[in-house]
Amino acid sequence: QVQLVQSGAEVRKPGASVKVSCKASGYTFSSHYMHWVRQAPGQGLEWMGMINPSGGSTRYAEKFQGRVTMTTDTSTSTIYMELSSLRSEDRAVYYCARDRYGSSGYYFRLWGQGTLVIISS
Amino acid sequence: QSVVTQPPSASGTPGQRVTISCSGRSSNIGNNPVNWYQQFPGTAPKLLFYNNDQRPSGVPDRFSGSKSGTSASLAISGLQSEDEADYYCSAWDDSLNAVVFGGGTTLTVL
Repeated sequence: QVQLVQSGAEVRKPGASVKVSCKASGYTFSSHYMHWVRQAPGQGLEWMGMINPSGGSTRYAEKFQGRVTMTTDTSTSTIYMELSSLRSEDRAVYYCARDRYGSSGYYFRLWGQGTLVIISS
Repeated sequence: QSVVTQPPSASGTPGQRVTISCSGRSSNIGNNPVNWYQQFPGTAPKLLFYNNDQRPSGVPDRFSGSKSGTSASLAISGLQSEDEADYYCSAWDDSLNAVVFGGGTTLTVL
């Protein structure tokens, strides 16, 4: 079954970091670029960045440069998104999403179930 | 403030045709394909259209997508109650080097 399964909800204090995982199954992991998109409560979708699962090259949205790190583990077909220096505005559901086969088309046919990150002191 | 603009809300009665607009710039919609997503509360978005008007399998043909210049549209004909959801457009932006999403449109079926 082709799917993306994300790690569970997290609670972090302001200033801390969080690392969310996204495990792919049912397809060739290295054949699709992967993206992270977040959605704050009651708000729209916001693209955070992308990673090539095989080579590990990344591209981040300017807003998150310096605070986000996306990594890949080909041995477990898992990608990770770590966000540091967390603030209240980072409270959101974080989604991983799969791009089309081959070169990036910047559209996402397959999504993870989402991971809620709560920031609370 | 999104660089791609959608109306915050739209509505229609069952059976009607509704259109949702998506307005951008030359750096995004004007030069790159547009994609559309449908999202129900508490669930992940679902791809409705890619490359302006390409419909993934499983999406009813009541839905149609189009693009002209720096704007795009999503049309839903024969509106049904189950179409009530949030709809987002997106495109790659050559200036920002990022995927940009519209702010989203909440569709209400009256």
